[in-house]
Amino acid sequence: EVRLVESGGVVVQPGGSLRLSCAASGFTFDDYTMHWVRQAPGKGLEWVSLINWDGGNTYYADSVKGRFTISRDNSKNSLYLQMNSLRTEDTALYYCAKDEGVGSWGAFDCWGQGTLVTVSS
Amino acid sequence: DIQMTQSPSSLSASVGDRVTITCRASQGISNYLAWYQQKPGKVPKLLISAASTLQSGVPSRFSGSGSGTDFTLTISSLQPEDFATYYCQKYNSAPRTFGQGTKVEIK
Repeated sequence: EVRLVESGGVVVQPGGSLRLSCAASGFTFDDYTMHWVRQAPGKGLEWVSLINWDGGNTYYADSVKGRFTISRDNSKNSLYLQMNSLRTEDTALYYCAKDEGVGSWGAFDCWGQGTLVTVSS
Repeated sequence: DIQMTQSPSSLSASVGDRVTITCRASQGISNYLAWYQQKPGKVPKLLISAASTLQSGVPSRFSGSGSGTDFTLTISSLQPEDFATYYCQKYNSAPRTFGQGTKVEIK
């Protein structure tokens, strides 16, 4: 069974930093591009970042560019999101998602349950 | 960046109704279009990829069509479990933008 489990979400002050983790199982992790997607309370889905299979290519939404860094450790089947200079508007449920494509772009065929990040003083 | 616009933002329908949701891309994306369903408090679920390919286990009352800039998600006969919010998403390139969502409510 394909499974993604996020962790690391907490309450943090504006300007603070946080590192989210996503543990993957049930599939060959290093075959797939992985993503972070967030959803602010009562709002829609916002794509945040992607990293290709070997970490050689990363992309970010403009809203997080320069503040967030995505990374992965294929030896640990894990995905990460380092979040710096956090703002109140970064408050959201952060999902880890698996791309269905192998060697090409794909939709998100598996999602974790999400981890809640709250940025508040 | 390519923008994705869904319409309507919300709709009210009855069980048994035919429901159509549209998604428009600001530039052509071929068929790199996915549809997701999200129920309150739940994780998004992939329904359709490549504009019209139904995921395994998704009921056949769901269908998708379109290519280029204009896409539709159709529910042929709305069931009680279909009341949810639906999102389209482009995936031809980054950013992998989502539409703003369409909430399907009970009339």
